[in-house]
Amino acid sequence: DAGVIQSPRHEVTEMGQEVTLRCKPISGHDYLFWYRQTMMRGLELLIYFNNNVPIDDSGMPEDRFSAKMPNASFSTLKIQPSEPRDSAVYFCASSLSRGLAGLSTDTQYFGPGTRLTVL
Amino acid sequence: KNQVEQSPQSLIILEGKNCTLQCNYTVSPFSNLRWYKQDTGRGPVSLTIMTFSENTKSNGRYTATLDADTKQSSLHITASQLSDSASYICVVSVVNRDDKIIFGKGTRLHILP
Repeated sequence: DAGVIQSPRHEVTEMGQEVTLRCKPISGHDYLFWYRQTMMRGLELLIYFNNNVPIDDSGMPEDRFSAKMPNASFSTLKIQPSEPRDSAVYFCASSLSRGLAGLSTDTQYFGPGTRLTVL
Repeated sequence: KNQVEQSPQSLIILEGKNCTLQCNYTVSPFSNLRWYKQDTGRGPVSLTIMTFSENTKSNGRYTATLDADTKQSSLHITASQLSDSASYICVVSVVNRDDKIIFGKGTRLHILP
C-alpha cells in the first residue's frame, strides 16, 4: 500500500484566496483525520470522519474552514478565504478504528503533509 | 483541563548514548497513551501504544513506560543512532462523552556523531 497520500505537498497563496488540500486514505481504513501543526501549538486535530461522515469538527478553527469526504478514498480540506495565520503544515491520517481503545488497529497512519504558506 | 506536557523541549546527545524523554499528563479519564516519532518534513509514525493497564512497551531500541498513578510516561532510547534525530510526540486519549485526543508539543532530539 502506498500509505496516506496528500496533495499538494507545498502550497503558497495570497491572503484571501481559496485553498483546497486533498487526501487519499489507506484503502480499507474507516477513519480519516485532518490535523494542523505549527511550532507554537504543535499538532491539533481539526476534524475526523467515520465511514465518510464527519463525527467531530470541534477543532475546526472557524467558518473559513470546511472539510468533506465524498467517498471512502478521498477527502478535502478547504480554507476560504485564507489568512496568513493559517500558514502551517496540514496532515491527513487514517486508521482502522477511532484510536481510543489502545488497540493496534487504532494506530493512525499519517500522510507526508501539505505545507501551506499564506502571504 | 486536559493537558499533556513534554520535557525537555529539546535534547542533544552523542551517538551511542542513551536518553529518556518525559511526558506528564492531566488527562482524565485516561484511555491510552502513544508515542510518535516525527522526522523533519514527514508525518508522525507510531512507536508504541499503551493502555492504563500496561506499564511498559518496547519497539526495538525504544522502550516506553507508563505510571497511571502519577500520570507520567517516559520514552527511553538505547544506543542512539543518527537516524533517531527527530521530534517525539506524546499523545493521550480521553474517554468520556467528549472523546478527545490530546497531543504534547514534542521533544526535539538531536543526535551528534
